[in-house]
Amino acid sequence: DGGITQSPKYLFRKEGQNVTLSCEQNLNHDAMYWYRQDPGQGLRLIYYSQIVNDFQKGDIAEGYSVSREKKESFPLTVTSAQKNPTAFYLCASNSQSGNRGNEQFFGPGTRLTVL
Amino acid sequence: AQSVTQLDSQVPVFEEAPVELRCNYSSSVSVYLFWYVQYPNQGLQLLLKYLSGSTLVESINGFEAEFNKSQTSFHLRKPSVHISDTAEYFCAVSDRAGRRALTFGSGTRLQVQP
Repeated sequence: DGGITQSPKYLFRKEGQNVTLSCEQNLNHDAMYWYRQDPGQGLRLIYYSQIVNDFQKGDIAEGYSVSREKKESFPLTVTSAQKNPTAFYLCASNSQSGNRGNEQFFGPGTRLTVL
Repeated sequence: AQSVTQLDSQVPVFEEAPVELRCNYSSSVSVYLFWYVQYPNQGLQLLLKYLSGSTLVESINGFEAEFNKSQTSFHLRKPSVHISDTAEYFCAVSDRAGRRALTFGSGTRLQVQP
């Protein structure tokens, strides 16, 4: 089945550590996105990539980094510079062609907790 | 820039009653409109979308939403809810070009009571 996988499902981090969240898709989608979800605030865009080897900052990129070396993969690193990283992180993808109107497909999410 | 406002953070309703979840948006360009549903500790699932054409769009599980351009609204309705509809619902917009990311509202928690 085609879809998006995220790992791990739960992640615990000590203050001062960098951690990397995995996102893989087998939908052959060109674009991939990372969102952060906090209670009562909806989802906010961290980074996005519309093509391999290229990515752009979203609305809340500070303290995060990404790479896009392969079409299928878009890992997110939460660095120690992110002051309040405890949140639910969602990865999404969509096709940049066709007639689906930018519909995005979401992974199951990773819940990051800072101890 | 775009923004989305979901006017109700929580909507309690009894089973088999009708419900409306409100969504208003602001944008300087034409947009696509979406409703997503999220069950606890899960990702988002697309419920329905408006791209163009008929302003009334329907989902397979009985929800519908109507695009109102003059009021910049995209309210979600269901004539009779079930316990299984209990979830968080997010309204979102996307510009038709450019970064094509979604801008989300803050969500509405629908609580269906027996």
